[in-house]
Amino acid sequence: TQLLEQSPQFLSIQEGENLTVYCNSSSVFSSLQWYRQEPGEGPVLLVTVVTGGEVKKLKRLTFQFGDARKDSSLHITAAQTGDTGLYLCGTGANSKLTFGKGITLSVRP
Amino acid sequence: DTGVSQNPRHKITKRGQNVTFRCDPISEHNRLYWYRQTLGQGPEFLTYFQNEAQLEKSRLLSDRFSAERPKGSFSTLEIQRTEQGDSAMYLCASLSWAGVEYGYTFGSGTRLTVV
Repeated sequence: TQLLEQSPQFLSIQEGENLTVYCNSSSVFSSLQWYRQEPGEGPVLLVTVVTGGEVKKLKRLTFQFGDARKDSSLHITAAQTGDTGLYLCGTGANSKLTFGKGITLSVRP
Repeated sequence: DTGVSQNPRHKITKRGQNVTFRCDPISEHNRLYWYRQTLGQGPEFLTYFQNEAQLEKSRLLSDRFSAERPKGSFSTLEIQRTEQGDSAMYLCASLSWAGVEYGYTFGSGTRLTVV
């Protein structure tokens, strides 16, 4: 099973600040997905990245896949309180996803 | 289509009781997954079905856990003789034939508390 390390584990910032969080593995990812999970709800898919070096944007969120496909980053510009949640990265192999422990983001008003 | 539906949303049970959860996936999705999530952790894989066939079970899944998907539509997850360590969020997800790379659609989960 591929191990995913997410960092930092916890992050508390002021509304309007920028932030970057990471997902790393010692193995090459076939593909990588980012999910956001709000308390008491299931995770919601944000993006899938497949190609090394790929950059995808979703409004104020920018996702990057490393050239070697062993790491990924999520950058949020001008964070809002609605961005608060648990950010999970997951990778698929053998027909199922394996997830990291997640990054708990708290955006203060 | 209203997405993946899980019932109940919350369940409190006494240790030693049996509980059953239900998941209704997106109708055209042929794969259905069960995950368990505890506080501060990402979801952990339990088992998955392709249509009505259960194709894989995690070694984490003890004999007290059983899952079914009798007609390839909804699924149930039963836990017998519950223990306090079973307290967790149980998540169901469905996936189309296109593959895991296209991402799961998760339900809102069932929060189990064993007292």
